[in-house]
Amino acid sequence: SQTIHQWPATLVQPVGSPLSLECTVEGTSNPNLYWYRQAAGRGLQLLFYSVGIGQISSEVPQNLSASRPQDRQFILSSKKLLLSDSGFYLCAWTGGYEQYFGPGTRLTVT
Amino acid sequence: GDSVTQMEGPVTLSEEAFLTINCTYTATGYPSLFWYVQYPGEGLQLLLKATKADDKGSNKGFEATYRKETTSFHLEKGSVQVSDSAVYFCALSDSGTYKYIFGTGTRLKVLA
Repeated sequence: SQTIHQWPATLVQPVGSPLSLECTVEGTSNPNLYWYRQAAGRGLQLLFYSVGIGQISSEVPQNLSASRPQDRQFILSSKKLLLSDSGFYLCAWTGGYEQYFGPGTRLTVT
Repeated sequence: GDSVTQMEGPVTLSEEAFLTINCTYTATGYPSLFWYVQYPGEGLQLLLKATKADDKGSNKGFEATYRKETTSFHLEKGSVQVSDSAVYFCALSDSGTYKYIFGTGTRLKVLA
């Protein structure tokens, strides 16, 4: 069966520091991969999606970037975090109709 | 573009009450429709899906029917439990892209 991992689970970072969040999927090949952000008590905002290695589509211009160095690995990065980057970051994958989510990373920028 | 509209929450019900959470959508193509559930501090879990008009998705006592004529996909459960307390998201897959469109979520609180 397929599983999706995210780490770290929680992160507290100062403003201006770099960020790297990782997502990996097991048990499938060539998945479509997604990064979402969920602000407290809010809905999901699509940040990036990827349909293949090295293929990244950005939905929201901001100080975040994404990379897909391997088929089942998706990384979210920032060179300098802003206070507004705080939130719950969710990685997801699809292989057919459904989208499956990871457990999320809670990021607090102080 | 495509969009999903959910009823505003929170919805507060007593245990064993009937649940309806309304969801309507706009789409230019023929999307698949989904309901997801999110428990506190966790990611979203797929609850049920419907891939074409008149399909009924069901899981764990929850049901939703894909109504193309009313562009709706309302979530129902006949008898809610305290353990159903969570945030519920309606979503569609955009048939023209790889993107999924989510509603803003509806918080359900079930009281014992």
